[in-house]
Amino acid sequence: GENVEQHPSTLSVQEGDSAVIKCTYSDSASNYFPWYKQELGKGPQLIIDIRSNVGEKKDQRIAVTLNKTAKHFSLHITETQPEDSAVYFCAASNGMGAQKLVFGQGTRLTINP
Amino acid sequence: DAGVIQSPRHEVTEMGQEVTLRCKPISGHNSLFWYRQTMMRGLELLIYFNNNVPIDDSGMPEDRFSAKMPNASFSTLKIQPSEPRDSAVYFCASSNHPDGVREAFFGQGTRLTVV
Repeated sequence: GENVEQHPSTLSVQEGDSAVIKCTYSDSASNYFPWYKQELGKGPQLIIDIRSNVGEKKDQRIAVTLNKTAKHFSLHITETQPEDSAVYFCAASNGMGAQKLVFGQGTRLTINP
Repeated sequence: DAGVIQSPRHEVTEMGQEVTLRCKPISGHNSLFWYRQTMMRGLELLIYFNNNVPIDDSGMPEDRFSAKMPNASFSTLKIQPSEPRDSAVYFCASSNHPDGVREAFFGQGTRLTVV
C-alpha cells in the first residue's frame, strides 16, 4: 500500500521568511496530493491540492510542487505570518474521491514574530 | 451548512466501557470517513462509507471497533470494550466528489481518553 513520509516534523521560521515542507510517496499510481492545515483543537482543513498531471500550483502565498519521477511533492509558504503557525499534513491518494487518503506524519510549523 | 458535526467533543471513560462516537456529515455528501489521530501513528483511516455502504474497513484496528451508517446524515463509531490504548482524537470527515472533486471536510474531532 501507499506510504507517505513527511519532513521535517517541526519547523520554526521568522515571520516574513519562507517555509518548505517535503513529502515522498511510494505508490507510483498515486495521482492526487492534497495538503491540510490543522489548527489547535480543530480538524484538518484543505489548503491546496495538486493532481499528477500538473507540476506546480500556486494560490497566493502558498504553492505546491510535484515531481512524479522522484515521487515527491513539497509545500512552499512565502512571506510567513503568525497565523500560518499550525500542523501541516501532506497526503496521497490513487483513487477517485477522497477515499484512501494516506497522510504523512505532519509538520508543526511555528512562525516567530 | 454547519460543516461536519461530531459529538461528543470530549469523552473520558473507564477501561472496559462501551464508547459511541457520533457524526453528522455535510448534507449532500455521499462519502464518510472515520480517522484516528495519535502522536505515534498520525492520522489513520479506520473505515469509509460511500452512499451509506462500508467500502473499506481494513483500517479498523480490531473487532472491538465497529462503525455504522444507518442513513445519509448519521454515522457512529463504537468501541466495545474500550482500552487505554484507544485514547486518541477521532475525526469524522465527509466529501462529495462528482467529476473528481476530492476535498474531505473534517469535523472538530472527539478526544477520547480511556482510563
